[in-house]
This record gives sequence, structure tokens and C-alpha cells, in this order.
Amino acid sequence: EPEVTQTPSHQVTQMGQEVILRCVPISNHLYFYWYRQILGQKVEFLVSFYNNEISEKSEIFDDQFSVERPDGSNFTLKIRSTKLEDSAMYFCASSVNLASGGSTVNTGELFFGEGSRLTVL
Amino acid sequence: LAKTTQPISMDSYEGQEVNITCSHNNIATNDYITWYQQFPSQGPRFIIQGYKTKVTNEVASLFIPADRKSSTLSLPRVSLSDTAVYYCLVGAGAAGNKLTFGGGTRVLVKP
Repeated sequence: EPEVTQTPSHQVTQMGQEVILRCVPISNHLYFYWYRQILGQKVEFLVSFYNNEISEKSEIFDDQFSVERPDGSNFTLKIRSTKLEDSAMYFCASSVNLASGGSTVNTGELFFGEGSRLTVL
Repeated sequence: LAKTTQPISMDSYEGQEVNITCSHNNIATNDYITWYQQFPSQGPRFIIQGYKTKVTNEVASLFIPADRKSSTLSLPRVSLSDTAVYYCLVGAGAAGNKLTFGGGTRVLVKP
């Protein structure tokens, strides 16, 4: 079964450093997302991405954050100048199949990766 | 976005049916109801989605009354491995729209 993969599984960084979290969405998916979950708290939406641009973002996704799809497979989240409160689990997700003939199949299901745990010291 | 309310936690025993009810009083006409499951330190996993009436798949059933102001996820014959947090989400079915996760219901299945 195809899956969303994320790297690294765990990253420890110093406050003020830049971090890049990487995701490989399911290959024929068109929409990509980043969510985060601070330990013990709920899953929070950060951003959605489609057709090489951000389609929606939350208040959390400020200028410190950026996303990019640098090639045909990777989807990255960059956090500039990390802060202690950025420590969280970051989940990538993808959705919407591109079916043969160019049609799209939207089941409403988001496929999440296993997450990247970011610890900022 | 429609806000959801669901119990914080529920306990059950192996082999029992677990029903989790979610309230979403201000659900919009084009909103779908989706349930996700999350194990510790893992990403949420889609369980089921519906718009109205009843939807059933291989793992769960979703009951939605006519007014759509609530929904009930039913897990038949739970096992220990069903211990997880279950989230009820309400939002437009269009792709790209953000899904807002609430606090979820922590289900503990006991032997």
C-alpha cells in the first residue's frame, strides 16, 4: 500500500537554527499538507499546497515557515530561526489521486506520514 | 468552520461495541463528517467519512441523523489494538481545505 514517508523521524536542534523537514507524498496525489502536534495537544493545521503554491494556511504558518516542492517527489517544510515552542511532531499528508485520463479522485481522505519529531533546545 | 464536541475519553472492554458521538451543531450544507484514528507518536489515520444517513466500511460504521448536527462512530467488537484517540472532523469535502482537529476521544480498551 502506498504511503507518505517523512524524514528525519527525529531532529534535535538549537534555538535559532534552521530546520528542513522532508516528506515524500503518495506519488499520484495532488494536494499536500503540513500539520503539527505539540506533545499532549491536538493536531493543528499549518498549510496546504496545490499546483506549486499554497492554497490555504493557518495563523501558525507565519513568515518563519515556508514550504516547497523542489522536485517531482519531495515536499519540504522549512522553519527558519527555530524557537523553543516549535518543538512538536510535524505530520505531512497528501490527498486526491490523479487518475488516468487526467481526472481527479477525491475521497476526502488525507494520508498522513508517521511524523517528524522536532526538539528545539 | 463547524466546531465539534466529543467526549474526552471512553473505556471499553475487548469484544464490546464502542460508540462515540460527536456534536456539530453549526455544520454547513457542504460539510462532510470524517473520523480519524491516532495511535501515540503516529500520524492520524482515516477511518470513515459520510455526509448523511449511514456509512459502513470494513472497520466502522458512521451514523448521521437527518439534521446532521451530530454523528456517531461505531466500532464493532473492539480489541486492545483499538486503543487510540478518535477525532471527529467536519469540513468541506473539497480537497485542499484545512481539516481542523479537535481534542478527540481517547478510547481505552481493556482486556
